[in-house]
Amino acid sequence: KAGVTQTPRYLIKTRGQQVTLSCSPISGHRSVSWYQQTPGQGLQFLFEYFSETQRNKGNFPGRFSGRQFSNSRSEMNVSTLELGDSALYLCASSYPRTDPNIQYFGAGTRLSVL
Amino acid sequence: AQSVTQLDSQVPVFEEAPVELRCNYSSSVSVYLFWYVQYPNQGLQLLLKYLSGSTLVESINGFEAEFNKSQTSFHLRKPSVHISDTAEYFCAVSNAGGTSYGKLTFGQGTILTVHP
Repeated sequence: KAGVTQTPRYLIKTRGQQVTLSCSPISGHRSVSWYQQTPGQGLQFLFEYFSETQRNKGNFPGRFSGRQFSNSRSEMNVSTLELGDSALYLCASSYPRTDPNIQYFGAGTRLSVL
Repeated sequence: AQSVTQLDSQVPVFEEAPVELRCNYSSSVSVYLFWYVQYPNQGLQLLLKYLSGSTLVESINGFEAEFNKSQTSFHLRKPSVHISDTAEYFCAVSNAGGTSYGKLTFGQGTILTVHP
């Protein structure tokens, strides 16, 4: 089985722009979670989607949003980028029926905001 | 609310020596516990997990961790490390009750450096 695929791997944007990151889960997985990883704050949970519905959300401003499509692929969007949004963004997928809490991570998208 | 504390930010060790990476957690509900490993420029790889049953869990590459409920700890150990074990290790918890969907709470990570 292919693993979790995140695209693009690297991204450079300037302040004020918006960005969309993509995540394709492992085949058959229906839950996708997103995390932000920074040297200062570590790994922080952004949100989780299951069957196209956001079921859980972390403590991030409304500039951070996401969605999930019927094929379980997910996107996250960050609007009005700030310098502090520079981070590695990781998505993880899981299959709630068998291994509800075991998340498999992609390689991440490294976003640099200039 | 849950929190995870990894007591050492960096652990240097010589090859073939034993190592212990310490993890303590705080939670008002039952938890599942995980160790993930991250190599440079890569995502997180699941190393081992505790969901239920035996409190001692093992990975295929020689790591083990023991869930200690009374001390709220889940320390990671390996009796003999290799150069290839050099990486950052993250301890994580999630709600066993299932209401905090898809959320893992991570510690700040421990950088393990194995010297020849």
